[in-house]
Amino acid sequence: DSGVTQTPKHLITATGQRVTLRCSPRSGDLSVYWYQQSLDQGLQFLIQYYNGEERAKGNILERFSAQQFPDLHSELNLSSLELGDSALYFCASSPTGLAGTGELFFGEGSRLTVL
Amino acid sequence: GENVEQHPSTLSVQEGDSAVIKCTYSDSASNYFPWYKQELGKRPQLIIDIRSNVGEKKDQRIAVTLNKTAKHFSLHITETQPEDSAVYFCAPSDTGNQFYFGTGTSLTVIP
Repeated sequence: DSGVTQTPKHLITATGQRVTLRCSPRSGDLSVYWYQQSLDQGLQFLIQYYNGEERAKGNILERFSAQQFPDLHSELNLSSLELGDSALYFCASSPTGLAGTGELFFGEGSRLTVL
Repeated sequence: GENVEQHPSTLSVQEGDSAVIKCTYSDSASNYFPWYKQELGKRPQLIIDIRSNVGEKKDQRIAVTLNKTAKHFSLHITETQPEDSAVYFCAPSDTGNQFYFGTGTSLTVIP
């Protein structure tokens, strides 16, 4: 158990819909990262938040948005869903906002299926 | 961002043999070199990491070697076992860029 909690574990929805994925980082970790992993693909970095503020942005679509709340949990919002958005979405946390300073702790992921 | 490549993309070895996966990167400022293991349907987990002031690090059957001049580092697994079967990712970074993972290497250990 990494200490990072993601909900829901599975989600099935239709094209055009909107969903919200939730992540609670490890106790004491200030940074949250979101990654997308499509079938047989690598880990695509979407966005990072540190202590409530956006720190870095990767290949995140305009239809997607995220935020980190004062209690440090984070939500990833996916709207106008397309079939290609079907993927496993991982949240990871780390103690600091500086990449390269140590391990990323991943949650179990939220599997999104868009029909 | 950092341009990261892994080779090979797939690797099959007989149980007991060794496996080597290479990661090349482009950012000369990279100073942290981790390897993550992702078993089927599971989350990625750190298995070993090394910093730029060290050339090699070993932990039981796994080791990582670093060549900063050539900008590559490698994961070495000796005496492979079926439970080593997984996808392995490298994620070289400096203090600002541990966001990008390599393309992944799928390792299959044949009993």
